[in-house]
Amino acid sequence: AQTVTQSQPEMSVQEAETVTLSCTYDTSENNYYLFWYKQPPSRQMILVIRQEAYKQQNATENRFSVNFQKAAKSFSLKISDSQLGDTAMYFCAFMISGGDSGGSNYKLTFGKGTLLTVNP
Amino acid sequence: DARVTQTPRHKVTEMGQEVTMRCQPILGHNTVFWYRQTMMQGLELLAYFRNRAPLDDSGMPKDRFSAEMPDATLATLKIQPSEPRDSAVYFCASGLVPGTNGYTFGSGTRLTVV
Repeated sequence: AQTVTQSQPEMSVQEAETVTLSCTYDTSENNYYLFWYKQPPSRQMILVIRQEAYKQQNATENRFSVNFQKAAKSFSLKISDSQLGDTAMYFCAFMISGGDSGGSNYKLTFGKGTLLTVNP
Repeated sequence: DARVTQTPRHKVTEMGQEVTMRCQPILGHNTVFWYRQTMMQGLELLAYFRNRAPLDDSGMPKDRFSAEMPDATLATLKIQPSEPRDSAVYFCASGLVPGTNGYTFGSGTRLTVV
């Protein structure tokens, strides 16, 4: 079974500064995707960024970028120029892709989350 | 933007009552998930449908929970009888598989069983 570990239950950062959230995962699969989801107080789950395991280049989306270290099974999220609206719970998620598209493939396994607070 | 619609947004019910939560996935999506979120367990997968067929419900307590997709526009999650330990936020998510853009989540149903 796949597992996703987020070792930082809570973090805080000053507005405009940079913060990095950690995520590690365990799998024996080769074809998979990794995601970061954001859950603000409204509780809506919002996809922030995704990374394909076969791509070495790290994904970026505006102020959000990842550091994907496949050998170390590490997938951290960096938020640059933090804004008050970034205050949220952040979840790392893993998904096996390929194969027969059934069973355990294509479903998301989540970490326990990191609560990020951006302070003014 | 297309949305996944969940109803009701909040539900308070008494122990022993039946609860039905509904989800309208995004049109054209072939995959639907039900997740439960609690402080202690985080996000747990309850059920997983592809083209309306159940693929995985191993995370669902079979004695009281049931999930169905009567048609492509509706997914339901039922709890009968409900218990206080079922209090949680229940999310529905939909997506297109094989597709790797992640899944779109609904706003969730906050269930409180008293």
